[in-house]
Parts: sequence; C-alpha cells; structure tokens
Amino acid sequence: SQQGEEDPQALSIQEGENATMNCSYKTSINNLQWYRQNSGRGLVHLILIRSNEREKHSGRLRVTLDTSKKSSSLLITASRAADTASYFCATDGRRNAGGTSYGKLTFGQGTILTVHP
Amino acid sequence: SAVISQKPSRDICQRGTSLTIQCQVDSQVTMMFWYRQQPGQSLTLIATANQGSEATYESGFVIDKFPISRPNLTFSTLTVSNMSPEDSSIYLCSVSLTLYEQYFGPGTRLTVT
Repeated sequence: SQQGEEDPQALSIQEGENATMNCSYKTSINNLQWYRQNSGRGLVHLILIRSNEREKHSGRLRVTLDTSKKSSSLLITASRAADTASYFCATDGRRNAGGTSYGKLTFGQGTILTVHP
Repeated sequence: SAVISQKPSRDICQRGTSLTIQCQVDSQVTMMFWYRQQPGQSLTLIATANQGSEATYESGFVIDKFPISRPNLTFSTLTVSNMSPEDSSIYLCSVSLTLYEQYFGPGTRLTVT
C-alpha cells in the first residue's frame, strides 16, 4: 500500500507569513486531497487536485502536484492564527475494473502548523 | 456536502470491554468508511461499510475485533471489542458523496484504561 510522507513534521511561523507543506507518495493516484484537523477533532476537506492537474487555488490555498516526482505541496498565504492545525495529504489511488474510485484514502503523516499572532 | 454526527464524542473504557460507536449522516450515501487515528499519528483506514453487504476490512483489521453494521444508507456502527490500551485512539467515520470528495465526522475519542 502507498504511504504518504509529509514534511516538515512541524512548522512554526508568524502571522502574515506563508506556510508551505510538502507531501510525497509512492504509487499512482487518481487524486490528492488536503485536509485540516484542529486539535484532534474531525477533518475538514480543504482542496482536491486530480492527477491530470498541476496546480489549483482556493482562497489563500495553493496546491501543486507533480506526478513525475509523486509529490504535492500546499501553500497557505498570509497565514492567520486560526490556521493553526494539523494538515494531512491523502491520496485516492484505487479503482475497480470499471474505473470508479472506491474512495479509500491513504493519509500522510501530517504537518503540525503553528501560527503565532 | 454532508453533515455527519458521531456518538459518543468521547469515552473512557476499561480493558476487556467493548464500545459501539455510531455514525449518522444527513443524506443517503452508498459508501461509508471507518478510520482510526492513534495518538499523534495519522489516519488509517479500518474498513469500508457498504449497505447490504459485509464490510471490507483493510490489512491488519479483523471483523472479530472491529465488527461493523450498516443497516441503512444513513447509519453505521463500529464496535471496538475486547479493548486494550492500544485501542486508545480517535475513531472517525467518513462518507463519499462523489467520486472524489469525502466528508468526515467529528470523531470519537476513546481512552482505554
């Protein structure tokens, strides 16, 4: 099974700075998703990028995907104290014979982001 | 989107006992998933629960330890059986509404003493 690895494991920045988190994976994927988790609570879906896309934006978030390097990055611009959370990448790489994804996600180890006011 | 609730939100249990976690969705969904997040770790998929069929378990997880029910398209339960301290984790259910997006419940924080 594929495993996602993220770096850095922890990132501490000042409010207003940009935060970049990286994710690597090992096998072919259909899409890659980024999630946020506040203090061990439920996950919030942030953004999804499909395997045929290279870059995607959503508000202050920018995600890139390099399938040749099997890596992705999440950039949060103009960070806020409220962005303090754990961020996980997750890959969806399984399809049945008909080409439909089962939706099983493999998560990276996560990056703990702390934004100081 | 989907609104997912889980019960209980947290519990402290004694070793050797069992706990059943409920997951309720506000819309009908075909696929539901159960994940485990051990302390300080990432999420690991336990099983896929589809209505009308047996749950499909991932490597390392077995039905005797984590029996799952899926009686209808809006509800599922996960039981953690014969618990040990190693089962202390956050358990999350999720649903897949489209081919690409998943929504997660708030999680159940389990502590086994």
